[in-house]
Amino acid sequence: DVKVTQSSRYLVKRTGEKVFLECVQDMDHENMFWYRQDPGLGLRLIYFSYDVKMKEKGDIPEGYSVSREKKERFSLILESASTNQTSMYLCASSLGTRMVFDYGYTFGSGTRLTVV
Amino acid sequence: AQSVSQHNHHVILSEAASLELGCNYSYGGTVNLFWYVQYPGQHLQLLLKYFSGDPLVKGIKGFEAEFIKSKFSFNLRKPSVQWSDTAEYFCAVNGYTGFQKLVFGTGTRLLVSP
Repeated sequence: DVKVTQSSRYLVKRTGEKVFLECVQDMDHENMFWYRQDPGLGLRLIYFSYDVKMKEKGDIPEGYSVSREKKERFSLILESASTNQTSMYLCASSLGTRMVFDYGYTFGSGTRLTVV
Repeated sequence: AQSVSQHNHHVILSEAASLELGCNYSYGGTVNLFWYVQYPGQHLQLLLKYFSGDPLVKGIKGFEAEFIKSKFSFNLRKPSVQWSDTAEYFCAVNGYTGFQKLVFGTGTRLLVSP
């Protein structure tokens, strides 16, 4: 089974801190994604990457950046954390660069970030 | 832009009741459609998916969904729910825009009472 591992399950940070959320997948997937999950809003795409050193903005990229130096690792960076970034952050990966993908996404367990 | 609407935000059912969760999407081209489930405290898991062919798709745990292209719908069904189906359910769509990028609905919280 593909595993997507997020380094922290719970994280508490102070306003203004720089925050790094790490995600590692172990099945050589080309595509990786960061979503945030908020009650009543579902999952919203922050950034995604379809190759090493490549990144694309999702629907809500403001206040975030990403890094993908290695295929298996996709990091989400909050440059200056704010209280409105308190949320559950989900990382996902998927196979292939073709338009049709057969397996959907595999999700990590999530990181619940609280900014105080 | 693609979007997904899930009209039921909270659903409460008794065990053995039938379930239907609505999902409508907006995208004019070819789509892939998915239902994901998130059990309490667990990560999102794929329930079922539609790419092409038979519009009635069967997934895990007795769930099925029907793609009705003319209605832009992909409703999730289960004839008889169990207490263990208590979870949050998300519909998602990927339109052929060149990148794999799932757009999710806002989710439906299902509570099944024993």
